Amino acid sequence: DGGITQSPKYLFRKEGQNVTLSCEQNLNHDAMYWYRQDPGQGLRLIYYSQIVNDFQKGDIAEGYSVSREKKESFPLTVTSAQKNPTAFYLCASSPRRSGYWTDTQYFGPGTRLTVL
Amino acid sequence: AQTVTQSQPEMSVQEAETVTLSCTYDTSESDYYLFWYKQPPSRQMILVIRQEAYKQQNATENRFSVNFQKAAKSFSLKISDSQLGDAAMYFCAYRIPNFGNEKLTFGTGTRLTIIP
Repeated sequence: DGGITQSPKYLFRKEGQNVTLSCEQNLNHDAMYWYRQDPGQGLRLIYYSQIVNDFQKGDIAEGYSVSREKKESFPLTVTSAQKNPTAFYLCASSPRRSGYWTDTQYFGPGTRLTVL
Repeated sequence: AQTVTQSQPEMSVQEAETVTLSCTYDTSESDYYLFWYKQPPSRQMILVIRQEAYKQQNATENRFSVNFQKAAKSFSLKISDSQLGDAAMYFCAYRIPNFGNEKLTFGTGTRLTIIP
């Protein structure tokens, strides 16, 4: 089945540690995104990538890093510089329409990160 | 900056009845997309319906329809014949079709409860 997978579903991190969240898609989508969701809030964009080997910062990129070495994969690293990393993290992807812009974003099941 | 406002933190409806969720947005753009996403207890974001601003006709997907009022910057979601499986958080979202500005801007969500 085509879709977006995220792993792990739950992740616990000690303060001062870096952790990497996985996001994989087999939809052949060009663009991929990482969002953060906090209680009582909508999603906020962390990073996005429109093509392989290229990515841009979103609204809340500080303390996070990404890579896009393959079209299918867009891992997110939460570094120790992120002051309040406990949140729910959602990965999304979207196909590219004719022209330059991308179409509807489809989401993975998410990863719940808790800092101990 | 674009903003999306959902003024109803919680709504409830009797099973089989109709409910309308409100969304307003602020933008100076003339061309944009609007979306309703559903987030059930599993927390995966599921696309419910999408509307392109240049289309005057309101989008419809089975029991879900929108009332898009471009001049009023309003984008409400109507759910007909409500079912227990419709219980979820509903998020309204906005984006512009602009290469290099890919993010979805989300509202804070409306929690919908279905009363059996």
